[in-house]
Amino acid sequence: GQNIDQPTEMTATEGAIVQINCTYQTSGFNGLFWYQQHAGEAPTFLSYNVLDGLEEKGRFSSFLSRSKGYSYLLLKELQMKDSASYLCAVMDSNYQLIWGAGTKLIIKP
Amino acid sequence: GAVVSQHPSWVICKSGTSVKIECRSLDFQATTMFWYRQFPKQSLMLMATSNEGSKATYEQGVEKDKFLINHASLTLSTLTVTSAHPEDSSFYICSAATGRIGEAFFGQGTRLTVV
Repeated sequence: GQNIDQPTEMTATEGAIVQINCTYQTSGFNGLFWYQQHAGEAPTFLSYNVLDGLEEKGRFSSFLSRSKGYSYLLLKELQMKDSASYLCAVMDSNYQLIWGAGTKLIIKP
Repeated sequence: GAVVSQHPSWVICKSGTSVKIECRSLDFQATTMFWYRQFPKQSLMLMATSNEGSKATYEQGVEKDKFLINHASLTLSTLTVTSAHPEDSSFYICSAATGRIGEAFFGQGTRLTVV
């Protein structure tokens, strides 16, 4: 079966750095996405990785290792507004998105 | 990024009535639109995929006659929840794809409450 695993909840301190991990087992691979979702809102796109390595975009970076079926989202200089759920999703061989359950990130002052 | 407008943002309806949710791509043509449902504290669940001018492809377990999807043009898709029941209360989100891999944009979502 297809499976995406990410931690249910994480807590971090304002100004710090946090890494949210995602492991996956899917039928084929056509890229991995990270989305941010605030409570009651639709997800917003953060990053897309299809090749191994680190993609940096401002305070957010995303890493992918296809051989390990592993990705992480790195958030630096955390702000209170970063409190949200972070969803990992993998596009499989049929170009369908398989979603993780999301990681709820709580930022404390 | 491109803009996808979903309307209404929230709706409360009586049990047994029907509700229509619209999803529009405002500045691009969406070859494919996806409809998702999300229950509290759960992941997004794909309900159906629709291509302009053809019948939607529903995921297993999703009732076609209950969740009517129409994709009449390259910029508009609608989801109608027919004979709504309290268990249909959920957050419904549409996503429009441009056709380029990795490029899909979400609407704002519609929170449906059936009383």
